[in-house]
Amino acid sequence: QVQLQESGPGLVKPSETLSLTCTVSGGSISNYYWNWIRQPPGKGLEWIGYIYYSGSTNYNPSLKSRVTISVDMSKNQFSLNLSSVTAADTAVYYCAVGVTSSWFDPWGQGTLVTVSS
Amino acid sequence: DIVMTQSPDSLAVSLGERATINCKSSQSVLYSSNNRNYLAWYQQKVGQPPKLLINWASTRESGVPDRFSGSGSGTDFTLTISSLQAEDVAVYYCQQYYSTPLTFGGGTKVEIK
Repeated sequence: QVQLQESGPGLVKPSETLSLTCTVSGGSISNYYWNWIRQPPGKGLEWIGYIYYSGSTNYNPSLKSRVTISVDMSKNQFSLNLSSVTAADTAVYYCAVGVTSSWFDPWGQGTLVTVSS
Repeated sequence: DIVMTQSPDSLAVSLGERATINCKSSQSVLYSSNNRNYLAWYQQKVGQPPKLLINWASTRESGVPDRFSGSGSGTDFTLTISSLQAEDVAVYYCQQYYSTPLTFGGGTKVEIK
């Protein structure tokens, strides 16, 4: 069973770049779609985007100008960069697996990122 | 974008009673070539990530109790908990995967009355 774990800074300053990594264990990052999803405190879920192991990506248009998702197959990891952050980007960030452009299962435990000076 | 609208925002149900959650999509998520509805349901307990319950609108994931069932087609869907248990207290989300951007409903909070 694939397991995912997010890691990265819990505090980012406004206008800077949020960078997170998701480490995949219990399986290979080859195949499947590797997603980032976020959830502002007390609010609902927003899909950020995914990367296929081959490197092709699909981003939510609402964030596309600021998002980059990349994959490092040698480390079995994929990463999220979100630039020019504001307080509105404060959220729990989850990584999750998709069989295709589909449902998400499983999910990582999530990591809270706060944007504040 | 396909907008997913859930109702109600919250509901309180007595233990052992039925809970019904509705999800409506702004356009059909039924793919005519395979007659499948591209809709999933998740359960999120406090402090935990969402857990997949159902995909293809009505297919329960392995290990999900059979008191959870999904129904509907096209634009209108329902998640039913036939006999609410204490461990079912959670927020439930629907999600469409018919097209990108992949989108979620706003969530329905289920509590014990």
